[in-house]
Amino acid sequence: EDQVTQSPEALRLQEGESSSLNCSYTVSGLRGLFWYRQDPGKGPEFLFTLYSAGEEREKERLKATLTKKESFLHITAPKPEDSATYLCAVQEGSARQLTFGSGTQLTVLP
Amino acid sequence: DGGITQSPKYLFRKEGQNVTLSCEQNLNHDAMYWYRQDPGQGLRLIYYSQIVNDFQKGDIAEGYSVSREKKESFPLTVTSAQKNPTAFYLCASSPGDNTEAFFGQGTRLTVV
Repeated sequence: EDQVTQSPEALRLQEGESSSLNCSYTVSGLRGLFWYRQDPGKGPEFLFTLYSAGEEREKERLKATLTKKESFLHITAPKPEDSATYLCAVQEGSARQLTFGSGTQLTVLP
Repeated sequence: DGGITQSPKYLFRKEGQNVTLSCEQNLNHDAMYWYRQDPGQGLRLIYYSQIVNDFQKGDIAEGYSVSREKKESFPLTVTSAQKNPTAFYLCASSPGDNTEAFFGQGTRLTVV
């Protein structure tokens, strides 16, 4: 059973068209939820960490929120340079390693 | 500059050969990780190490081996026992609990 599920798998937006990406998780004892951005052929780049329900983090056009079952990455007025794959990962219990979802591939058209 | 360096960026292996992927970090992080990424899939954990001279298997350790003789280095060997080694390999490190992991730029391994 998947612990971390991201949706949609792919999303195409027009420049300026705001939307949200979803990350749902079924782990118990969540210690942290992490968002990364990955460009083709590159390693993931850290964006945000969320630790408890109700938390929010913002960076430029991105805003991440967390509930007890899911996290959203809101993209406001996106630009073509926001095109990338966005990965969600969770850390649970006593584990230090991260469990990743499959990612959402975002394309922003000019 | 502090960071994680993976080498080489591209690696080609003949069937039956072992190859070693390098990962070095100068962030003074205790924990280091190896992940594998296949097209359209998330990252899957191969091995991780929380301290020098200690490491644990991840979800897909079969056909791989690691060592952690120095805090800065965590090389991954892909052995001939790994049946489908063609993939993008990512090394990461983190300073402690409840903290984000930082990634290198990856090594793309192709079996020819």
